[in-house]
Amino acid sequence: DSGVTQTPKHLITATGQRVTLRCSPRSGDLSVYWYQQSLDQGLQFLIQYYNGEERAKGNILERFSAQQFPDLHSELNLSSLELGDSALYFCASSVRGRRGGTDTQYFGPGTRLTVL
Amino acid sequence: GQQVMQIPQYQHVQEGEDFTTYCNSSTTLSNIQWYKQRPGGHPVFLIQLVKSGEVKKQKRLTFQFGEAKKNSSLHITATQTTDVGTYFCAGTSGAGNNRKLIWGLGTSLAVNP
Repeated sequence: DSGVTQTPKHLITATGQRVTLRCSPRSGDLSVYWYQQSLDQGLQFLIQYYNGEERAKGNILERFSAQQFPDLHSELNLSSLELGDSALYFCASSVRGRRGGTDTQYFGPGTRLTVL
Repeated sequence: GQQVMQIPQYQHVQEGEDFTTYCNSSTTLSNIQWYKQRPGGHPVFLIQLVKSGEVKKQKRLTFQFGEAKKNSSLHITATQTTDVGTYFCAGTSGAGNNRKLIWGLGTSLAVNP
């Protein structure tokens, strides 16, 4: 158990819908990262937040957005969902927020999103 | 663009055989991290290498960072079924606001008992 929690574990929805994934970092960690993992794409970095501020952006689509709240939990919002958005979405946290994610990252168990 | 290539993509070994996965970057890396993801699980941090030519060992696992800091390897001696999973490297490239962590696509290891 890494100490990072993610909800929900599984999510099944339809194309065109909008969903919100939630992540709570380890106690004391200030930085949160979001990743998408598809079968054939490995781990795709989406976005990083540090202490409420966006720190780095990866291959995040415009239909996706994220934020980190004052209590440091984070939410990833996915809208106008397409079949290709079906994937595992991981959240990770780290103590610091050095740009480039050079700190050790602790991953949550992931949310499996299925878009039908 | 900046890339980190990981080879092989898949590897099947008999239990007891050795295994090596390689990570190659098109640019110089300031450091490299290795993670392991068990089937159905999440990535777990294994190690970080920072210095040119650095070698670190964790029991049967040996990690190396190349002299030019453009490549790295993970070698497992005498594999066990508990080594099954996907091994990812992630390298830090660039500086300042351009610094990025770039992930390899992973090497999936299967071990036949």
